[in-house]
Amino acid sequence: QVQLVESGGGVVQPGKSLRLSCAVSGFTFRNYAFHWVRQAPGKGLELVAVISYDGSNTYYADSVKGRFTISRDNSRNTLYLQVNSLRVEDTAVYYCTRGGTSDVATGSFHWGQGTLVTVSS
Amino acid sequence: EIVLTQSPGTLSLSPGERATLSCRASQSVSDSSLAWFQQRPGQAPRLLIYGASNWATGIPDRFSGSGSGTDFTLTISRLEPEDFAVYYCQQYGSPPGTFGQGTKVEIK
Repeated sequence: QVQLVESGGGVVQPGKSLRLSCAVSGFTFRNYAFHWVRQAPGKGLELVAVISYDGSNTYYADSVKGRFTISRDNSRNTLYLQVNSLRVEDTAVYYCTRGGTSDVATGSFHWGQGTLVTVSS
Repeated sequence: EIVLTQSPGTLSLSPGERATLSCRASQSVSDSSLAWFQQRPGQAPRLLIYGASNWATGIPDRFSGSGSGTDFTLTISRLEPEDFAVYYCQQYGSPPGTFGQGTKVEIK
């Protein structure tokens, strides 16, 4: 079955960086677009970034543009989110989600369990 | 960016009652590219409906979605105890895609 497993979260000081990873199984990774979606404690869902099946198209939420980079390695079946210049307001659970198609215009059809990023001094 | 507004913020109902949740978009959602999700406490969201009215795999038929353009609705015909949760809509026709702020369905 479809499985997505995030890793790389933790406690980090403001201004620092992290790289989140999402390892997948149960389907052909290179055929699908992916998203990173975050949820701050007690808050709603925010789509942070999306990437097409081949990495040629990416989109970002305005709140993270210029600081976050989504990427993928189709040879390793792994999705990444490089998060730089972290702010306290970036504290959230970060979910990796798989789309229903290869294109960026797709919904978050399958979800991992998330990885918690806490930004605190 | 398309803004999605969900209403009401909280819905207080009893088991067995009907729930009607609304999701309104600031501009037309192309190709009815709208999904609904359920999130229980401590869990990741789960896809219920995609393409405005199509059931995701394994979703019971007491959940149904409808609408097009800017107005969409999720209906739960008879609430079961496990249905008390938070529900989100997502539009994905215009990248990067956006979520509504959520509707909490709570036990009255």
